[in-house]
Amino acid sequence: DAGITQSPRHKVTETGTPVTLRCHQTENHRYMYWYRQDPGHGLRLIHYSYGVKDTDKGEVSDGYSVSRSKTEDFLLTLESATSSQTSVYFCAIGQTQGNTEAFFGQGTRLTVV
Amino acid sequence: SQQGEEDPQALSIQEGENATMNCSYKTSINNLQWYRQNSGRGLVHLILIRSNEREKHSGRLRVTLDTSKKSSSLLITASRAADTASYFCATDARGNEKLTFGTGTRLTIIP
Repeated sequence: DAGITQSPRHKVTETGTPVTLRCHQTENHRYMYWYRQDPGHGLRLIHYSYGVKDTDKGEVSDGYSVSRSKTEDFLLTLESATSSQTSVYFCAIGQTQGNTEAFFGQGTRLTVV
Repeated sequence: SQQGEEDPQALSIQEGENATMNCSYKTSINNLQWYRQNSGRGLVHLILIRSNEREKHSGRLRVTLDTSKKSSSLLITASRAADTASYFCATDARGNEKLTFGTGTRLTIIP
């Protein structure tokens, strides 16, 4: 398996609190992605990174911010969690833009109550 | 809105039969990939087909790509119980670093 880990794996938080999810890779891949997975919607891209300090928005970026200060770490922050952000979050890494496979983490199940 | 849409949303077949699922996308692509997701797990890459390719094989998998129709199909031959999973297509476009996924097909193989 590719060296990619997400933490935490499960989290329950209250509405209005900040939450940070971490994705850590040991593969030195350039591209890192954050997705959320919800029933009926498949995977939707939140933010992605194409290098240290280089990030861009995906299709569902509102309410989320990201940071990548090191190649190996990509952080996803919910500044003020809402119930609509209850979801399973997946991190993925890729060596090149899209012409090689992406490797996925095991996911983080986030519940906002 | 999402780039890819898989069809059907769910499919149940007997073990040993072939399974076919389709993916349609909206804009021109550079590559198209298929992934599998077992329940509660992350996605696993199955196969990649480039925009200038029409067909590709990998073991029991056969992927076709029709760029004129903006569609792809994934065929799994001689299905096994272990093939039970959700299958997603993913696309990227030239000059765009985004890797965008479809909504998935839930495949159930009945022993």
